[in-house]
Amino acid sequence: AQKITQTQPGMFVQEKEAVTLDCTYDTSDPSYGLFWYKQPSSGEMIFLIYQGSYDQQNATEGRYSLNFQKARKSANLVISASQLGDSAMYFCAMREGRDGGFKTIFGAGTRLFVKA
Amino acid sequence: DTEVTQTPKHLVMGMTNKKSLKCEQHMGHRAMYWYKQKAKKPPELMFVYSYEKLSINESVPSRFSPECPNSSLLNLHLHALQPEDSALYLCASSQAARHQETQYFGPGTRLLVL
Repeated sequence: AQKITQTQPGMFVQEKEAVTLDCTYDTSDPSYGLFWYKQPSSGEMIFLIYQGSYDQQNATEGRYSLNFQKARKSANLVISASQLGDSAMYFCAMREGRDGGFKTIFGAGTRLFVKA
Repeated sequence: DTEVTQTPKHLVMGMTNKKSLKCEQHMGHRAMYWYKQKAKKPPELMFVYSYEKLSINESVPSRFSPECPNSSLLNLHLHALQPEDSALYLCASSQAARHQETQYFGPGTRLLVL
């Protein structure tokens, strides 16, 4: 059974510093996609970054990078130079290939607080 | 700005009411999704439409009825809901229902059932 684990319910970071949000996953499917989403208090789920299981390099998107360690089944999100607007809930998610990729399973989320 | 729109943003309804949530995407995507999200919980998949055909129904009660009139529109018809159905309802779309395709979400509809 697929599973996404985010062990940090809440994280604090000082403005302008970097922060790492942890995510581990469990799957036996060789084909899968890993995603990170940001959800501010407004409720909208904002896509941040994607990593495919066959990608050789870690994904990067602006201030976001994904530390993909396939053997350890981890896909941690690194946010560099934190901003006050980064305060939000962050979800790690996975889609497997064998079920047609229809389902996205989300982790429990990590709430990030950025301090001025 | 999101290219997935949802209306209404907020909805309050009684248990005997019939209402509909609407979702529209402007990205030419062929897969659309409904999720339910309770407070402080991750989203849970309800329905998946792929090429306007229902592909997944995650054992959702029949008081929720999805409809996909065309590839860019997705509705969720609500009837005889219960107070525990109060939640944020999120619509999403992706190019296709494949594991490497990113889902893009709308702003959601906050539903309160009295």
